[in-house]
Amino acid sequence: DAKTTQPTSMDCAEGRAANLPCNHSTISGNEYVYWYRQIHSQGPQYIIHGLKNNETNEMASLIITEDRKSSTLILPHATLRDTAVYYCIVRADQAGTALIFGKGTTLSVSS
Amino acid sequence: KAGVTQTPRYLIKTRGQQVTLSCSPISGHRSVSWYQQTPGQGLQFLFEYFSETQRNKGNFPGRFSGRQFSNSRSEMNVSTLELGDSALYLCASSLQGTTEKLFFGSGTQLSVL
Repeated sequence: DAKTTQPTSMDCAEGRAANLPCNHSTISGNEYVYWYRQIHSQGPQYIIHGLKNNETNEMASLIITEDRKSSTLILPHATLRDTAVYYCIVRADQAGTALIFGKGTTLSVSS
Repeated sequence: KAGVTQTPRYLIKTRGQQVTLSCSPISGHRSVSWYQQTPGQGLQFLFEYFSETQRNKGNFPGRFSGRQFSNSRSEMNVSTLELGDSALYLCASSLQGTTEKLFFGSGTQLSVL
């Protein structure tokens, strides 16, 4: 079973920041937080991952709370092309460990 | 650099038949994972191969099998197809299969009639 809890759906206006929350209260010390997204009929796309420090790349920012029990993915300026299902996944730092996908959050960006 | 390539893109089979799907990872990637996606169950992990060895396996019946070749290309096989095997089968590759990101292909859409 997935170790994360995410809202089923969220809406965001184009150009605004999209803040997607994720709860992972049972996360272990060696587990990373990953975010992937899946646009309809395509394979999942990696967005970002982190262990305990906040991370930023060209796509998004990842904010992890100090106790690591929750995190937030931030898309700073959402566009219509960001409409997708967003998956928050915790995964151990161990060779061969699978990504266990939950239901994810369906983000709808509208103009 | 070319992405993960899965063939064929679409496939139609009948119950009882078997099917083989192919995945070519990104050049240099040695880990290949397979996932099944259905509307009811979502994305589920099938297995992961690294250097021609199965390193991890999900909770699927023995009808689902796979292998990896010396060039890291991978195939998965489903024997005695059932209606419930209709799904999008996704392949993902990564360098070592540890904490680095996975790159997914576009998948093979299998329909079992």
